[in-house]
Amino acid sequence: KNEVEQSPQNLTAQEGEFITINCSYSVGISALHWLQQHPGGGIVSLFMLSSGKKKHGRLIATINIQEKHSSLHITASHPRDSAVYICAVRYWRISNFGNEKLTFGTGTRLTIIP
Amino acid sequence: NAGVTQTPKFQVLKTGQSMTLQCAQDMNHEYMSWYRQDPGMGLRLIHYSVGAGITDQGEVPNGYNVSRSTTEDFPLRLLSAAPSQTSVYFCASSYWGAGETQYFGPGTRLLVL
Repeated sequence: KNEVEQSPQNLTAQEGEFITINCSYSVGISALHWLQQHPGGGIVSLFMLSSGKKKHGRLIATINIQEKHSSLHITASHPRDSAVYICAVRYWRISNFGNEKLTFGTGTRLTIIP
Repeated sequence: NAGVTQTPKFQVLKTGQSMTLQCAQDMNHEYMSWYRQDPGMGLRLIHYSVGAGITDQGEVPNGYNVSRSTTEDFPLRLLSAAPSQTSVYFCASSYWGAGETQYFGPGTRLLVL
């Protein structure tokens, strides 16, 4: 069964700390998403990766295709970063017909204490 | 642009009732999808569509129907509500498919008694 595993499930840190959230998956993928779900429930896309590294402000996402692993880093964390961070993948198939599906991890709940 | 909109925000149903959750987007996206989110579980795909007239099942399609008569709208129908369908439902869209940036609606919280 194709699975997406995230770690840790919960993370509490002090303001200013460097944060790392991990995502691993079981088979080859064509795309990996990092999403943020706010305490109010809204979901926002942070990154979409197929290789390498992307950076947006204090957020950095990396992916290692060979190791089937991705990380989301937050530098100089702030209480407003408190949210659930979700990893999702689109698995690679020979044919893309019927393959427009995302499989999600269960999320990492991040709490940043002032 | 309003982005992705969902109605209603909250709904209470009795077992056996039917209803339609509405989802609309004004970004001319071809790909639209429905997910349910339950405590302790990741988002799970119910149905998706890659364009008007084209739909396909996701991971948990039983008890739900969809149709896509226009690019803008992708309603989700619960045929006969069951308590197991109590959940938060999210609609999402993107230009072409699951390999692109996804835009999510605000969600519909459904309680089935």
